Amino acid sequence: EAGVAQSPRYKIIEKRQSVAFWCNPISGHATLYWYQQILGQGPKLLIQFQNNGVVDDSQLPKDRFSAERLKGVDSTLKIQPAKLEDSAVYLCASRSTSGGTDTQYFGPGTRLTVL
Amino acid sequence: AQKVTQAQTEISVVEKEDVTLDCVYETRDTTYYLFWYKQPPSGELVFLIRRNSFDEQNEISGRYSWNFQKSTSSFNFTITASQVVDSAVYFCALKAAGNRDDKIIFGKGTRLHILP
Repeated sequence: EAGVAQSPRYKIIEKRQSVAFWCNPISGHATLYWYQQILGQGPKLLIQFQNNGVVDDSQLPKDRFSAERLKGVDSTLKIQPAKLEDSAVYLCASRSTSGGTDTQYFGPGTRLTVL
Repeated sequence: AQKVTQAQTEISVVEKEDVTLDCVYETRDTTYYLFWYKQPPSGELVFLIRRNSFDEQNEISGRYSWNFQKSTSSFNFTITASQVVDSAVYFCALKAAGNRDDKIIFGKGTRLHILP
C-alpha cells in the first residue's frame, strides 16, 4: 500500500512570496491533516479535513494560510505572503475512518525555508 | 487541557545498550489514545504503537517495549540492545477517543543518538 505522498520535499523562498504544498493521502483515507513542525518541536495541527469538508482549522493563521481539498482526495496548503517564522516542516497525514482506527499516517513532509 | 511532556530533550547511548524514553501526559478525558512515533533524519513520522487508555497491558515488539502506567500518567518506551538505525527523534502523543475533532497533541520529542 502506498503511503502519504507530498511535494515538493524542499522549498526556499523569500519573505512575502507565496508557496504551495501538495499532499496525496493513502488511498481510501477520508480524513486528511496538515501539520506544522517548527525545528525542535512536535507537530502542531493546522487543519483537518473530512472528505472535502473542514473539521478543524482553529490553529490555521487564516490571514496568510489557506488549504483546500476540492475532490476529497488530494489537498494543497498555501501560504501567501510568507513570513520568516513560517520556516518549518509541513507534514500531511491521513487516517482511515473505517474499522475504528485512530492512527494517523504521515508523509515525508515539505521543508520550507523563508529567507 | 491535554499535554504531553517528554522531559529528555536528547539522549546518547552506545550501541547495544538499552535505553528508555520517558513520556508523561495530562488529560481530563477518561478515554484516550497514546502513541509513539519515530522521526528519522528523512523527516517522515513513522507510527510505532497506539495504546488505548483502558488497556494497561504492556507490549513488546521485537526490541521495542512500552510500559503504560495510568496511575502515574506515563507511557514509557524502551529500546533493548539499541542499534545505530534507532537514531531518530521519538515523539509521544495523546488523542481523546470518540471525538470528531481528533486532534493529536504531540510532545516536543526526544532526540536519540546511538553511537557505534
